[in-house]
Amino acid sequence: GEDVEQSLFLSVREGDSSVINCTYTDSSSTYLYWYKQEPGAGLQLLTYIFSNMDMKQDQRLTVLLNKKDKHLSLRIADTQTGDSAIYFCADLSYNTDKLIFGTGTRLQVFP
Amino acid sequence: GAGVSQSPSNKVTEKGKDVELRCDPISGHTALYWYRQSLGQGLEFLIYFQGNSAPDKSGLPSDRFSAERTGGSVSTLTIQRTQQEDSAVYLCASSLMRGGGGTDTQYFGPGTRLTVL
Repeated sequence: GEDVEQSLFLSVREGDSSVINCTYTDSSSTYLYWYKQEPGAGLQLLTYIFSNMDMKQDQRLTVLLNKKDKHLSLRIADTQTGDSAIYFCADLSYNTDKLIFGTGTRLQVFP
Repeated sequence: GAGVSQSPSNKVTEKGKDVELRCDPISGHTALYWYRQSLGQGLEFLIYFQGNSAPDKSGLPSDRFSAERTGGSVSTLTIQRTQQEDSAVYLCASSLMRGGGGTDTQYFGPGTRLTVL
C-alpha cells in the first residue's frame, strides 16, 4: 500500500523557522494536507496543496511540494510556543480516494 | 454545533466488554470517516460512509468492529469483546463529499480515548 513518512521529532527555538518534512510514495496523489494535533485534541487542518502546485503560502505557513521527488515540507516562520504540537502530513490518493497519514512529527518549541 | 463532536471523550472498559463510540458530523456533510490512532502511530483508516452508499469497511481490523450511520448523520462505532490492543484514540471526521479533496476537506472531532483494561 501507499506510505507517508515523517521524522518523529523536531525541536526549535522560539522565533526561529521550523521545517517539517514528509515523503510519500503515492503516484496518484491529488491533494496533500498538513494537520496539527495539540495534546488531547483532534486534528486541525492547517493547510493543503493541490498536487500540481509547487508552493503555497498562508501567513506564517509555507508549503513546498516537489512532486518529482514526492517530497512535501511545511515551514513555520517565527515559530511560537503555541506551535508546539504534532504535525501530520496526509496524502489524498486518487486511486483509493482515502487519506493516508504519516506518523506525525512532534514539534517542540523552547524559549 | 460548528464542528464534529464525539462522545464520550474518554472510555475505560474491561476486556471482553462491548463499547459504542458516537460521532456527530458537521451538518450537511455527506461523508463520514472513522480512524484509529494508537500510541505513537499515525492515523489508521477504519471505515467511511458516503451518503446512502454502502460503507467502505476495508480498514476494519476484525469482525469485532462495526459501524452504523443513521439517517445520513450520526454514526456509531461498535467494538465487541474488546481487547487490550483496541486501546487507542478513535477519531471521526466528516467532509462535504467523498475524498475530501481541496476545500472539501476532512474535519476532525476531538476523538474518544478508549482504554481497555
